Amino acid sequence: QVQLVESGGGVVQPGKSLRLSCATSGFTFSSSGMHWVRQAPGKGLEWLAVIWYDGSNIQYADSVKGRFTISRDNSENTLYLQMNNLRADDTAVYYCARDFTIAAAAFDSWGQGTRVIVSS
Amino acid sequence: DIQMTQSPSSLSASVGDRVTITCRASQGISNYLAWYQQQPGKIPKLLIYAASTLQSGVPSRFTGSGYGTDFTLTITSLQPEDVATYYCQKYNSAPLTFGGGTKVEIK
Repeated sequence: QVQLVESGGGVVQPGKSLRLSCATSGFTFSSSGMHWVRQAPGKGLEWLAVIWYDGSNIQYADSVKGRFTISRDNSENTLYLQMNNLRADDTAVYYCARDFTIAAAAFDSWGQGTRVIVSS
Repeated sequence: DIQMTQSPSSLSASVGDRVTITCRASQGISNYLAWYQQQPGKIPKLLIYAASTLQSGVPSRFTGSGYGTDFTLTITSLQPEDVATYYCQKYNSAPLTFGGGTKVEIK
């Protein structure tokens, strides 16, 4: 079955960096677009970034553009999110999600999420 | 960027009631719209994509409709397990914006 397992979350000071990983299994990773989505405490879902199946196309939400970088390693079936210059309002649960196409559409599988707390 | 507005933000209904949630896009998005359910303490689950196509395994009491700027998610007979927050999401182009969510409770 499809599995997405995020890791790398934790408590970090403002201005610092963190790298999230999403290890996948149970499907052909190299044939799926992949996304990062976050959810601040008690708030709704916020889409952050997408990377196409082969890494050829990457897009970001304005809220993270220039600070966050999405990447993937198709040989390791793993998705990444490098987060730099973190701010208090980046505090959230971060989910990786599989696109049901090779590109950017709807998300048919989600990981359990990893929590990021940005605090001094 | 296109904004997605859901209404109502919350509702309370009785078991067996018909429930309708609306999602409006600030510009036309064809049928590039998905609906998700997030039960309390759980991860989101895809219910409907392409505005009206039911995801595999989703009960048939969930239906979606709409095109362009106005979309609806209907639960034809509300069940206790439908207590959740429901989100619409556009995917015609980035950013893949979510609506603000509609919290559904049982009266």
